[in-house]
Amino acid sequence: KQEVTQIPAALSVPEGENLVLNCSFTDSAIYNLQWFRQDPGKGLTSLLLIQSSQREQTSGRLNASLDKSSGRSTLYIAASQPGDSATYLCAVRPNSGGSNYKLTFGKGTLLTVNP
Amino acid sequence: EADIYQTPRYLVIGTGKKITLECSQTMGHDKMYWYQQDPGMELHLIHYSYGVNSTEKGDLSSESTVSRIRTEHFPLTLESARPSHTSQYLCASGTWNEQFFGPGTRLTVL
Repeated sequence: KQEVTQIPAALSVPEGENLVLNCSFTDSAIYNLQWFRQDPGKGLTSLLLIQSSQREQTSGRLNASLDKSSGRSTLYIAASQPGDSATYLCAVRPNSGGSNYKLTFGKGTLLTVNP
Repeated sequence: EADIYQTPRYLVIGTGKKITLECSQTMGHDKMYWYQQDPGMELHLIHYSYGVNSTEKGDLSSESTVSRIRTEHFPLTLESARPSHTSQYLCASGTWNEQFFGPGTRLTVL
């Protein structure tokens, strides 16, 4: 059974700092990995999607990497801003035919960027 | 603009009431999903649909039911709400490759 772990559970940084969020998964047979952002009481906003054949994806100040063989992904946020404060979730999609629709989520990292 | 909508956003209701949480998407996706999320916990899939008239239960057992009569609409119903149903319910739609989420419904059953 796939398990997704996110470390740290919470992170507080001053504005302007670069930071890294970590995601690990136990089964490397994944189709892709998706990073989401969730604001309090809100739904999920997709940030980056990395296919299993890719090593990284970039969008603005965000860069996500994927090392499928070691079961790890990182989300790098450059020059953090107070508006980046949210919970960041990673989710993996299995590479197993009939169960391909099932995302497995981590519990998330609660990020606070202090002005 | 293509989007996914959920109503109501917040619902406080008494035990024993029947409730329906609405979810609609304008992206033409065949696949739709319902997740349940308790505070500080992971999302758990409770229902999914591959298309019209196709619904299946997810990994987390739920007393709720769903229907998919139209591609764009995937409502979730609780026949008799209980305090244990208090949670956030997130609807999503997507392709085989990616899922897009609605804003969620925060349900509180007193």
